[in-house]
Amino acid sequence: QKEVEQDPGPLSVPEGAIVSLNCTYSNSAFQYFMWYRQYSRKGPELLMYTYSSGNKEDGRFTAQVDKSSKYISLFIRDSQPSDSATYLCAMTFANQAGTALIFGKGTTLSVSS
Amino acid sequence: GAVVSQHPSRVICKSGTSVKIECRSLDFQATTMFWYRQFPKQSLMLMATSNEGSKATYEQGVEKDKFLINHASLTLSTLTVTSAHPEDSSFYICSVRILQQFFGPGTRLTVL
Repeated sequence: QKEVEQDPGPLSVPEGAIVSLNCTYSNSAFQYFMWYRQYSRKGPELLMYTYSSGNKEDGRFTAQVDKSSKYISLFIRDSQPSDSATYLCAMTFANQAGTALIFGKGTTLSVSS
Repeated sequence: GAVVSQHPSRVICKSGTSVKIECRSLDFQATTMFWYRQFPKQSLMLMATSNEGSKATYEQGVEKDKFLINHASLTLSTLTVTSAHPEDSSFYICSVRILQQFFGPGTRLTVL
């Protein structure tokens, strides 16, 4: 079983739709939970990060963490064509080498106008 | 603005040649940089941690003699893919960590 599971999609939605992206994880030692957005042939850029269970909102984006269920989500409201990208969840935990960062495979989102 | 730059953004080479990829941190000094590899529809996989002034730390399964890392200064780390083969074709991304992790734009390597 992989430590971080993420449905690769693709996910296609019309403009204005609410998008829900999800990841599950197995390691209860994960501390920080992040969502990255990666456009085609570009490096990932950090969208949001959270530490505790609950919701964190930033504009049209809401990150949700449920540590008891080992489940995180990213919601995008009023989705736009410019949101079309691959979204990767990532999690960190401390190990002997410092802080390890584990990525999900990414979910490819396509928003049509 | 960009925190990390990479050069080149794309390279095509013949099998057996060596390819050097540069990663520069802009506006700040980074004693540690990270090199990732991303195959199509796969997650980013950490290859190695580059340490300024000392040897890089490689992840399990990554050949240190094939992927040479040099962290010559606090703003530059280089990854050299030696004797590249088609299976080395991938998207190589470097990153630095300042409270959070910033990624470079990536280098797409295609080995014919």
